[in-house]
Amino acid sequence: DVKVTQSSRYLVKRTGEKVFLECVQDMDHENMFWYRQDPGLGLRLIYFSYDVKMKEKGDIPEGYSVSREKKERFSLILESASTNQTSMYLCASSTLAGGTDTQYFGPGTRLTVL
Amino acid sequence: DAKTTQPNSMESNEEEPVHLPCNHSTISGTDYIHWYRQLPSQGPEYVIHGLTSNVNNRMASLAIAEDRKSSTLILHRATLRDAAVYYCILRDGLTGGGNKLTFGTGTQLKVEL
Repeated sequence: DVKVTQSSRYLVKRTGEKVFLECVQDMDHENMFWYRQDPGLGLRLIYFSYDVKMKEKGDIPEGYSVSREKKERFSLILESASTNQTSMYLCASSTLAGGTDTQYFGPGTRLTVL
Repeated sequence: DAKTTQPNSMESNEEEPVHLPCNHSTISGTDYIHWYRQLPSQGPEYVIHGLTSNVNNRMASLAIAEDRKSSTLILHRATLRDAAVYYCILRDGLTGGGNKLTFGTGTQLKVEL
């Protein structure tokens, strides 16, 4: 079975802190994604990566950066956390591009910024 | 990405079939229809996808209208573990929709004993 793991299920940080969210997949997938999920807004794509050291902005990249130094690991960085970044963060991975690819999601990290 | 419309919520009794509808009247010829579901406190998981023909897998069946403007996800015997939000998503077969999944608000399925 494909496994996507995220470093923490719950995280509490203070405004202004630098926050790292880690995601690891074990299926040698080329593509990795970071989404955030908020009530009433659904899932929104923050960044994705289709190869090591490659990244592309999603719909809401402001306030975030990413790092992909190894194929299996994709990190989301909040340079200076703010209260409006309190959310559920979901990582996903997939192989192939095109209409038939399947994304596999991690369990999510619920981040609270105080 | 073309839009999809789903009912906000549906209810079912355990061990009965459930038909979850999705309208996608602006679907293009290269769009695949994908279904994901999200169980409480978990990330979304893939359920099934199709292009034109009906599809079956161990989790569910997907029935696609002949004009492709609507589809129905069928759970043959609902269990309490099927209570989740079900998302119907269109993905462009040519570009992959930029590799992202555009989730709407989905259908909250409630399953009762």
